[in-house]
Amino acid sequence: GQQLNQSPQSMFIQEGEDVSMNCTSSSIFNTWLWYKQDPGEGPVLLIALYKAGELTSNGRLTAQFGITRKDSFLNISASIPSDVGIYFCAGRDGSSNTGKLIFGQGTTLQVKP
Amino acid sequence: DGGITQSPKYLFRKEGQNVTLSCEQNLNHDAMYWYRQDPGQGLRLIYYSQIVNDFQKGDIAEGYSVSREKKESFPLTVTSAQKNPTAFYLCASRPRPGPSTDTQYFGPGTRLTVL
Repeated sequence: GQQLNQSPQSMFIQEGEDVSMNCTSSSIFNTWLWYKQDPGEGPVLLIALYKAGELTSNGRLTAQFGITRKDSFLNISASIPSDVGIYFCAGRDGSSNTGKLIFGQGTTLQVKP
Repeated sequence: DGGITQSPKYLFRKEGQNVTLSCEQNLNHDAMYWYRQDPGQGLRLIYYSQIVNDFQKGDIAEGYSVSREKKESFPLTVTSAQKNPTAFYLCASRPRPGPSTDTQYFGPGTRLTVL
């Protein structure tokens, strides 16, 4: 099945640093979602984006729906140890009306105290 | 509390045995989904159901079966035909289709190990 190109695959950063990750697709998306998954748990929604150009924040997290509708990024400012986990982007292809989401491969974030 | 429950959290089965994973939601969501997650990989869609008594195959449906007899429940059976069933299985649900309702909400997952 189709997948998104999510990068970077992994990041190892110092506490306090800012983090940036992004996803790109080959087709136009109507929705971009960002999830965080802790080890052994289900993904939890962080931010949902529904309009091209939309910029949304959730605490230290900021995400944007790319103006071309083919990409999205997630920024985390001033990282803390509890930010550790796997971050997934997901999107709904503009041609789909089944509600199916396409997921990126995930970005594994490790934070050194 | 409203949410999605999956049971059990950990499941062990012998090779060749069928096993059923439970997924229940009390969010009154119309659509439900089953995903498989392998280490270092994203989520792959197994089956999904948009309404009761109807479901469709996802990208990796071979060796799996589902039913949707009730809105709240969407059990997944991993059959002996599934060649590599050991994985982390995630169930998700989504509200009735409409503006800004693409978000899927996930359960805690079931880790299946086939010995």
